[in-house]
Order: sequence, then structure tokens, then C-alpha cells
Amino acid sequence: NAGVTQTPKFRILKIGQSMTLQCTQDMNHNYMYWYRQDPGMGLKLIYYSVGAGITDKGEVPNGYNVSRSTTEDFPLRLELAAPSQTSVYFCASSAQTIEYNEQFFGPGTRLTVL
Amino acid sequence: KNEVEQSPQNLTAQEGEFITINCSYSVGISALHWLQQHPGGGIVSLFMLSSGKKKHGRLIATINIQEKHSSLHITASHPRDSAVYICAALNSGGSNYKLTFGKGTLLTVNP
Repeated sequence: NAGVTQTPKFRILKIGQSMTLQCTQDMNHNYMYWYRQDPGMGLKLIYYSVGAGITDKGEVPNGYNVSRSTTEDFPLRLELAAPSQTSVYFCASSAQTIEYNEQFFGPGTRLTVL
Repeated sequence: KNEVEQSPQNLTAQEGEFITINCSYSVGISALHWLQQHPGGGIVSLFMLSSGKKKHGRLIATINIQEKHSSLHITASHPRDSAVYICAALNSGGSNYKLTFGKGTLLTVNP
């Protein structure tokens, strides 16, 4: 199994451009998450999904959109990139049971908005 | 104010030393995660625990639910243990799939 994969690894955007960060997992996990990590700060949850067709906002959703049409894929969309969105983005997934909820992280996407 | 606080922020040790990293949280939780982030950026889950103690190799994690405190211990530390260690509280309640993260502890183990 590849686990959680993310593309691209790096990207530079100009202010106002849009892009989609891709995330795919092959573990048949129902739950998927998008986080951003800023220097010196803890990870912040942007959006999450508890299954195909279901998404919800996390702590810092402004400026982002997500969709979950399949169990495997959970893309994150930036519509109008702003310098404040310069960050490292991590996608994660987990199998939700009452007893067990380990998260598996992708390798991250480093995004710079200039 | 972050609901999850880690200490110390930075820790430098000599190879072989016993390491302790602390995590305190103020929210009700159903579980606490310890994660490791290497300089390359990848994040790996080390432990998930809701009570007591877990051990994996040289790593030991403990949690005291009443005191809202968890510790990560590394025995016989090695330079390859150098990484950022992050604790994350899994919020209890109806939606127990949201994690609140600490800012991390940067551990450097010198040979």
C-alpha cells in the first residue's frame, strides 16, 4: 500500500491564482483531513471528511474548498491565493472506530504564494 | 491560547541520555496522540493512548487523564531520534475525530 499520497510536493503561486492540492489514500479509510502547518505553530485543521460526499469545516477553512466524491480522494482547492496561505499542507486519513483512530499523514505540499 | 501545551520547546541531549517530553491539555479528550516529524517534514504517528502506558522499542508514552498530562520518554537516545515531537489531543464528545495539536518539541541528540 502507498498509504497517503499528495501532489505536488512544492508549488509557487502568484497572488490571485488558483490551484488544487491532491490527496489520495489506498487504505479504505472513511475519515480524511487537511491541515496546514505554519512555522512555529501547531498543525491547524482546515477541512475534514467523514466519508464520500460529506465534508465539514475545521478551524481555519477560509480561502479553501474541498470535495469528497470518492473514498480515496480528498482534494483541497485554493481559489484566490493569498500570501497568508503560504504554508506546508498535510493530508491525513484515519479509520474511525471507537477504540482506534490513528492518523496516517501524507508527505506534505510546500506552497509559497508571492 | 493553545489548548495543548508542550514542554520544553527545545531539548538538546547527548547520545544515550534519557529524554522526557511533556504535554498538558485543557480540553476533555478521548485520546492523545504522539507524533514524530523529521527534518524532511514527514509526520509519523508514534502512539495513540487513552489511559496508562504504551511502549514501543525505546519509546514509552504515559498519560494521566485526571491530571490532563502526558509524557513521552526516550531511553538510550540516539542521534536518529532528532526530530520534532508533537502531541495532539483528540477531542472527546460526539465528533471524536478532531485533533488539537501542540506546537512541538524540537529534540536534538548529539553523538
